Amino acid sequence: QLVLTQPPSASASLGAAVKLTCTLSSGHSSYAIAWHQQQPEKGPRYLMKLNSDGSHSKGDGIPDRFSGSSSGAERYLTISSLQSEDEADYYCQTWGTGIVVFGGGTKLTVL
Amino acid sequence: EVQLLESGGGLVQPGGSLRLSCEVSGFTFSRYGMSWVRQAPGKGLEWVSAISGSGGNTYFADSVKGRFTISRDNSKNTLYLHMNSLRAEDTAIYYCAKDSYGDYPRVFDYWGQGTLVTVSS
Repeated sequence: QLVLTQPPSASASLGAAVKLTCTLSSGHSSYAIAWHQQQPEKGPRYLMKLNSDGSHSKGDGIPDRFSGSSSGAERYLTISSLQSEDEADYYCQTWGTGIVVFGGGTKLTVL
Repeated sequence: EVQLLESGGGLVQPGGSLRLSCEVSGFTFSRYGMSWVRQAPGKGLEWVSAISGSGGNTYFADSVKGRFTISRDNSKNTLYLHMNSLRAEDTAIYYCAKDSYGDYPRVFDYWGQGTLVTVSS
């Protein structure tokens, strides 16, 4: 069964960097994913598509501070030079033929 | 500029029906698949349904299969979600999302702002 697992929360200081994790279920380590950001009281925003080899393509207007990487079944979103507006929920998402799965989301707090 | 604008949400009784619409602009609508994704109060994102660019293929989450249908009018740049036999657990903000591909749902590269559906007596 295709499942994405994310830690429910993370925190980091203003100006620092943070690395968020999304883990693919057993047997699905070759899958690409997408990362989405949801700021409070707003609709989601697409950040990037991240492939199993770590290559990624970002959405329109996404700053260079956002990057992605991969290792085995792990997919990462790194945000550098954290700003207050980065405080948000971050969701990973993947797909099979005709199905879409979201991770439970990670709530990022900027201290 | 890509824009997606949902409408049609509201309060409906259990067992009732509702039709959501999503009017889009800024891209060639017929080339891309579209999806509906919902978010129950205080919860995460849940994919609901998708439709291919041509409208010939549709896909549904198990939680709504048999109760919801999805359609699109490419001449009006509008996506629809027809919801029947609504339950309290269908209460959520419903977002439409554009796919970056035209066939089956994969990567949602643009999102709307959502419309709230409340199922309650």
